[in-house]
Amino acid sequence: DIQMTQSPSSLSASVGDRVTITCRASQSISSYLNWYQQKPGKAPKLLIYAASSLQTGVPSGFSGSGSGTDFTLTISSLQPEDFATYYCQQSYSIPLTFGGGTKVEIK
Amino acid sequence: EVQLVETGGGLIQPGGSLRLSCAASGLSVSNNYMTWVRQAPGRGLEWVSVIYSGGTTYYAASVKGRFTVSRDDSNNTLYLQMNSLRAEDTAVYYCARTNYASGSNNWFDPWGQGTLVTVSS
Repeated sequence: DIQMTQSPSSLSASVGDRVTITCRASQSISSYLNWYQQKPGKAPKLLIYAASSLQTGVPSGFSGSGSGTDFTLTISSLQPEDFATYYCQQSYSIPLTFGGGTKVEIK
Repeated sequence: EVQLVETGGGLIQPGGSLRLSCAASGLSVSNNYMTWVRQAPGRGLEWVSVIYSGGTTYYAASVKGRFTVSRDDSNNTLYLQMNSLRAEDTAVYYCARTNYASGSNNWFDPWGQGTLVTVSS
């Protein structure tokens, strides 16, 4: 199974900050990497697919990059509605696996 | 608008069985890859199962042999039959459409709101 490791597991940031979350795969997964946002009590929401493609309707302040084993999700200017938990997920091989999540909290 | 609505969760004793349903509108479950993902309380996301449009199914090792994914094309509904339930199966269960492009590019969107399964005596 491919292990997905996110870092940090949590972070505190202020509105307007630039935030970067990293995701590392235990083996190369090409660009088969997706990012989701989840707010408390809600279902996850797709943000980025195929490492860098922005899902329709997602604000342009979100961006994804990387290939192979190392990936990043960047929020260019943190907004109040962006405080949530973020998960990466690989689709390279079954079983599909998620990272452990990164909780973005208000400083 | 595409919508997925899960039902069927509840409290069940260890060793028991439960069937979850995921009613779809705005999409055809038979023409899509459909996935189940679960989330234990306070924990991260765990992929459970997928059913391809052709009917091929795959499962996580933790549920293989106990869970069965299926669909009813006439009712446009996805199911997850869960047998021999264990305490560690306690989670919110989500269904999601799996969108796919070339190669192994696939991603989950949209998701249902989830249904809570609690396995406890």
